Amino acid sequence: EAGVTQFPSHSVIEKGQTVTLRCDPISGHDNLYWYRRVMGKEIKFLLHFVKESKQDESGMPNNRFLAERTGGTYSTLKVQPAELEDSGVYFCASSGQGALNTEAFFGQGTRLTVV
Amino acid sequence: QKEVGQNSGPLSVPEGAIASLNCTYSDRGSQSFFWYRQYSGKSPELIMFIYSNGDKEDGRFTAQLNKASQYVSLLIRDSQPSDSATYLCAVSGGFKTIFGAGTRLFVKA
Repeated sequence: EAGVTQFPSHSVIEKGQTVTLRCDPISGHDNLYWYRRVMGKEIKFLLHFVKESKQDESGMPNNRFLAERTGGTYSTLKVQPAELEDSGVYFCASSGQGALNTEAFFGQGTRLTVV
Repeated sequence: QKEVGQNSGPLSVPEGAIASLNCTYSDRGSQSFFWYRQYSGKSPELIMFIYSNGDKEDGRFTAQLNKASQYVSLLIRDSQPSDSATYLCAVSGGFKTIFGAGTRLFVKA
């Protein structure tokens, strides 16, 4: 069974440009999470989807970030316009249903570099 | 503000020793506790999870949970150089999982 996959693995863009990250969760997982790790900092929660609905987006840093999960399958995270401080590794994770079944399986991450 | 606290380290132990990693959390409603291992440049990998007070053993790893004191720890017995990584503590009170900053572990050969 395929794990969580993310695309691209690495993206280098200029400040002010737009970048879209994609995450394909494990098949059947209703819960999808986006996290970000900025250099030297801890992994920070960005938002959580349950199927196609945003359950919690309290971690989204500002309105330059837009996440979607149409149809409750894959998700995209768009950064527009990108700023230097957006550089970091963006992780996607998915998990099954149930409050005690929340161990998240992570994708390999997308390393975003804004120059 | 729900928080998860970890000593960033680095924690350095000799090969064969026991490595002890600690984590505290602020939300008393937390139900699930996880330890992830992250090698440099790789994604976090789940190695242990625990729900109930007490100890849970899996091979060389033992997770310990004390809900009254709000801490969870990870013991690695017979540490190997390949255990050198960042260990992330994660706590969940429902669906959202909060991560600690991670503890860097170095196992010296």
